[in-house]
Amino acid sequence: DTAVSQTPKYLVTQMGNDKSIKCEQNLGHDTMYWYKQDSKKFLKIMFSYNNKELIINETVPNRFSPKSPDKAHLNLHINSLELGDSAVYFCASSQGDTYGYGYTFGSGTRLTVV
Amino acid sequence: GENVEQHPSTLSVQEGDSAVIKCTYSDSASNYFPWYKQELGKRPQLIIDIRSNVGEKKDQRIAVTLNKTAKHFSLHITETQPEDSAVYFCAAGRPRLVFGAGTILRVKS
Repeated sequence: DTAVSQTPKYLVTQMGNDKSIKCEQNLGHDTMYWYKQDSKKFLKIMFSYNNKELIINETVPNRFSPKSPDKAHLNLHINSLELGDSAVYFCASSQGDTYGYGYTFGSGTRLTVV
Repeated sequence: GENVEQHPSTLSVQEGDSAVIKCTYSDSASNYFPWYKQELGKRPQLIIDIRSNVGEKKDQRIAVTLNKTAKHFSLHITETQPEDSAVYFCAAGRPRLVFGAGTILRVKS
């Protein structure tokens, strides 16, 4: 059973399109995250949700909108895709937001905008 | 906010040698310091972590040391093997994690 699963694994789309990435975790964790990993491998936090509530919203264009229907799911919708959005997007989850716990990452979604 | 610096950015070692990766952090309130390994095309995976009330932790060939006074922590890999080749990330947080920029480790056989 995959602990944190993301779909799709690969996404190739044209500039200007709107796309969504889905994430689900079956670990019972309270907190979920979206990270963007660029070509230089840097992991940059985008959003964090704790029990369906947004707790971190880094400086991300408002074309990116996360949605958490319940604490096991965190989806990412991207409007009007641009070339610079090409990256690998990782979903992650952790046990809580009040004490340090390791993150469990999903397998990533490689987004290519052409 | 927290800032984590990681060195070196690339590291090449001969199989069997030791590898050391160092990180410094800025927020003295950070209390959790994990290390992640990311193989090519795969997800980052937690390999070892340490909390601020511990100075050293070991798990087989890998160990992490923490110096709270100097605000730095290090990953030590002994007897390196080709399968240790990957990108390694340090992170620091309380509890939200800020990641270092990563170290590409190449183990030459």
